[in-house]
Parts: sequence; structure tokens; C-alpha cells
Amino acid sequence: RKEVEQDPGPFNVPEGATVAFNCTYSNSASQSFFWYRQDCRKEPKLLMSVYSSGNEDGRFTAQLNRASQYISLLIRDSKLSDSATYLCVVNLGRGGGSTLGRLYFGRGTQLTVWP
Amino acid sequence: DAGVIQSPRHEVTEMGQEVTLRCKPISGHDYLFWYRQTMMRGLELLIYFNNNVPIDDSGMPEDRFSAKMPNASFSTLKIQPSEPRDSAVYFCASSTPVGSRYEQYFGPGTRLTVT
Repeated sequence: RKEVEQDPGPFNVPEGATVAFNCTYSNSASQSFFWYRQDCRKEPKLLMSVYSSGNEDGRFTAQLNRASQYISLLIRDSKLSDSATYLCVVNLGRGGGSTLGRLYFGRGTQLTVWP
Repeated sequence: DAGVIQSPRHEVTEMGQEVTLRCKPISGHDYLFWYRQTMMRGLELLIYFNNNVPIDDSGMPEDRFSAKMPNASFSTLKIQPSEPRDSAVYFCASSTPVGSRYEQYFGPGTRLTVT
């Protein structure tokens, strides 16, 4: 079973729409959670960390549900520039033993925002 | 900081040739990761180092692949001999813990084509 599962999409939404991505992780010992963004033919870049209480960064809101082992990313008022692949990422932390420091990446969810 | 630096950015080589990819991590980062990305398999972790010591090389496809980290500011990934199925984008990433969080920063990647 994969550590992180995501809906691959694609999601095609008009500008101004609200879109939500979800992912699940398999290891309850996971300690840290992130969303990365990857533009076409570019490297993945950290979009935001996900904290237990949920957190917001402008139009982006990330939420974590430890009981359900579920992470979400909400994008409000979508812009054309939001078109990218969004990667859900977890780290096992000290519970991961020898995997301390390693990140587990989902396959990504592709988003296209159209005018 | 200049970020993670990788060279070359593009490499085209013939089957059977040796290929060497290079990476300079962000100064002060004590973790270094080598990934491979293809459309079919997504982002795969090949190997990672902590304080220049290989921690997990279980993702290295076969003996044709080898990686070294002779010092804290340099790492190489070598493929010898190369095969067409090695064609992919190879990313190097580095990180250091901030509290308990391990945010990774990626280099721009090396796009390898083996003909």
C-alpha cells in the first residue's frame, strides 16, 4: 500500500472557482505534512506546511484530520497561475526510525484553471 | 542562498555510455536526496544521505546506478552503462530539520535522454 494516495484528477475549473484536493496517508505515525506544487517541466516547490489546527495562506487553506488520516487543500478564487500539479507529502518523523528526514510524495493532482 | 544547484540541466547520451549527474545542496543542509521522475512512475526516491552517509538506497534500480557524497557540498549520481529506460528527470533535493519539520528544497533537475 502506498504511503500517500491522491486523486490524480485532472481538475479543470474556471477562474474564480473554489477547488479542493484531498489525500490520505497510510501510516498513523506520520508527523509532518506538506503540500508541494509542481509546474510543468519544473521542480516541486513547497507550497505550504499543514498544521494540526489547520492553516491558511492567502487563498490557500490546508487542513489535517489525524483520526481519518486525511489532508486537504482548498484554493479559493482560482487564478490562471494556479494551474499546476499539487503533491501531498508526509514525513514519518521520529516514528519512522531509519526514515527520519524522508518525505513520502503522492502522485499529485493536476489542476487546470481556464479563463 | 542560491538554492540547490544541479548540473547538467540537460543530457543526451547514447545507450551504454556513462552518465554523471551532479548536485550541490543548500549550505547547512544535512540531508540530500536523489529522485527520478517519469510520467509512468511519478516521483521516485532513489537514495538519500544524512551527513554525507547513505541512509537508504533501496530505491536505486540496479547496480548500474551509484551515488556518492564525498563532502557536505557535493554529490554525484552515476549511471553506467546507461539504457533508454533510464530516460527521466533526475532531481536532487536537500533539507535540514526545523524543529521536527523536514521541508525539502529541490534543484531544477537534470533531464536525461538515453538514445
